[in-house]
Amino acid sequence: EAQVTQNPRYLITVTGKKLTVTCSQNMNHEYMSWYRQDPGLGLRQIYYSMNVEVTDKGDVPEGYKVSRKEKRNFPLILESPSPNQTSLYFCASSSMGEGYGYTFGSGTRLTVV
Amino acid sequence: DQQVKQNSPSLSVQEGRISILNCDYTNSMFDYFLWYKKYPAEGPTFLISISSIKDKNEDGRFTVFLNKSAKHLSLHIVPSQPGDSAVYFCAASGTTDSWGKLQFGAGTQVVVTP
Repeated sequence: EAQVTQNPRYLITVTGKKLTVTCSQNMNHEYMSWYRQDPGLGLRQIYYSMNVEVTDKGDVPEGYKVSRKEKRNFPLILESPSPNQTSLYFCASSSMGEGYGYTFGSGTRLTVV
Repeated sequence: DQQVKQNSPSLSVQEGRISILNCDYTNSMFDYFLWYKKYPAEGPTFLISISSIKDKNEDGRFTVFLNKSAKHLSLHIVPSQPGDSAVYFCAASGTTDSWGKLQFGAGTQVVVTP
C-alpha cells in the first residue's frame, strides 16, 4: 500500500531533551516535507526537500532540523524542544507535476512539558 | 504573514445542496493550487488541484474555480453528502524550484446536516 509512515504517533517529552520523529515513504517521491498544525493557523511548513541531500526552509524552521540522506526517509529533529513546539506534526511526500499533491502521514502529536 | 487565506472558519450546509468554499491568496508567484480534506485524527487528503493556465477543473462532485486577476479560488461540492463533513484546506505553490514549498490556509470546517 502506498503510504507515508511517521513514528511515533504520540510523544510526550520534557523541555530540552532531543528527539527525532521518523518519516518514511514507499512511493519513490522526490519531494518530502514536514508541517505542523496549530489551532487557527492551519498547516505551516517547517522544512521541505526536493531530493536526496537537498532541503530548504519552510515558513517556521526555527528550532527544527531535517536531513535527507535517502530518498525514502526524512526525519525531523528537535535538538532542544520547547513548550511552544507542542503541536501536531505531519510528514508528506509527492512527485512534481499537475495533478499531484502531497500525500500525508497520519500525524505525530507532540507534547513538550 | 499568511499568503493563503480562508476567511470562513466554518460552513454549514444541508445534505444535497451545494457547498462553496472560498480561498484568497496574495502571492502573484503562486501558479498551482490545491484543495485538501481532513478528518480528525487523520492526515490531510488531496482532493483536487488546478494550475494557473486553467480557470476550472472538475472531478466528480468537486469543482475548483480559479480567478487569477482576483487572486481567488473556490471549491464547489455538489451535491453535499454527510461524509463531506471535514476541514477543508486550500493550498498554493509556485512551480519548478518552489513547487515543494506548499502553503496552506487556516481551513474551513464544513458540516453537512441531514
